[in-house]
Amino acid sequence: DQQVKQNSPSLSVQEGRISILNCDYTNSMFDYFLWYKKYPAEGPTFLISISSIKDKNEDGRFTVFLNKSAKHLSLHIVPSQPGDSAVYFCAASLGGGGADGLTFGKGTHLIIQP
Amino acid sequence: DSGVTQTPKHLITATGQRVTLRCSPRSGDLSVYWYQQSLDQGLQFLIQYYNGEERAKGNILERFSAQQFPDLHSELNLSSLELGDSALYFCASSVAPGQGADTIYFGEGSWLTVV
Repeated sequence: DQQVKQNSPSLSVQEGRISILNCDYTNSMFDYFLWYKKYPAEGPTFLISISSIKDKNEDGRFTVFLNKSAKHLSLHIVPSQPGDSAVYFCAASLGGGGADGLTFGKGTHLIIQP
Repeated sequence: DSGVTQTPKHLITATGQRVTLRCSPRSGDLSVYWYQQSLDQGLQFLIQYYNGEERAKGNILERFSAQQFPDLHSELNLSSLELGDSALYFCASSVAPGQGADTIYFGEGSWLTVV
């Protein structure tokens, strides 16, 4: 049973436009959400996070939005750049953002087209 | 380079065999995590060690076991291998348990192919 779902295996966006990656979760006890980015032949690296007490967190070109009532979060990248092409994983934590037992989605492969 | 080292990078073995994957955490990190990424399941948390002791267990099969040694490196042992065990196995490390998930660092992974 997938508690964190990324329903789009891939997404293609033109350079300079907005990329929107979506993530849904089923466990209402999750209290911290993170996005990781992964390039081929590398491990995932942390990108941005949000606590369940907030509905938005922004870091440069990256913004994460959380809709608790819908159990949905999204990652916005504006403007999209070629270096953003990677697999993006949504993850959720029960421990206030602790690294113990993160639950990951299956990932979305973002392709930025020139 | 995250500072987490995993060996081997690639491994091909036959069903029924046993393999050991090795992980050296970042310098100073006491906690080690193992994750499995298969094609249809995404990243699954397997197990966590802190300073040599098991701290948390996830979806780890009984055929799998792990340990963390006094020098803090960790090994993941996979036995009686099945085709479905083919996956990318990630090790990650952090300074201590309870650290934020934004401060864990992943290695490049070990590709296991069972034929």
